[in-house]
Amino acid sequence: QKEVEQDPGPLSVPEGAIVSLNCTYSNSAFQYFMWYRQYSRKGPELLMYTYSSGNKEDGRFTAQVDKSSKYISLFIRDSQPSDSATYLCAMPNAGKSTFGDGTTLTVKP
Amino acid sequence: EAQVTQNPRYLITVTGKKLTVTCSQNMNHEYMSWYRQDPGLGLRQIYYSMNVEVTDKGDVPEGYKVSRKEKRNFPLILESPSPNQTSLYFCASSRLAGATDTQYFGPGTRLTVL
Repeated sequence: QKEVEQDPGPLSVPEGAIVSLNCTYSNSAFQYFMWYRQYSRKGPELLMYTYSSGNKEDGRFTAQVDKSSKYISLFIRDSQPSDSATYLCAMPNAGKSTFGDGTTLTVKP
Repeated sequence: EAQVTQNPRYLITVTGKKLTVTCSQNMNHEYMSWYRQDPGLGLRQIYYSMNVEVTDKGDVPEGYKVSRKEKRNFPLILESPSPNQTSLYFCASSRLAGATDTQYFGPGTRLTVL
């Protein structure tokens, strides 16, 4: 079983929709939770970064962590075509980084 | 411009022919790492380096070597490439040594081993 499992998608939504992207993890040592966005033919870039349970908001993006359930989510409000990308959750621990497989999102105008 | 550079960007080679993919960062970052990305398998860590002369295995180190002789460079070496190493490779760096800081990724190297 993988340490980090990500809802595979792909997801296709209309512009303006609310999007929910999710990951589960099994390693209780994970303390930091990151979401990276990867556009086609590009390297991933950090979108959001949270530490501990709770919510963190940044514009249209909200990252949510539930450590008791080992479950993290990224919500995108008012989704735009420019949000079309692959989203990867990532959990660093003692130098190593474990990534989810990624969810590819397409937002249609 | 702050960046991570990788060379070459594309490479087609044959089984057994040694190759090196270079990675360089100009941000004075402590931490550097190599990943491979394959469809259905996501991004998997090959090796990482917390600082100069310190390297550690990631999840898929078999068939790869790295070195960190200088802070800015972290080359990935394939001594005897095989077709199962055909993949998209990314180098990344971050300011802090624990990988808990933002990782900045290079543009990727697409490697095909025939």
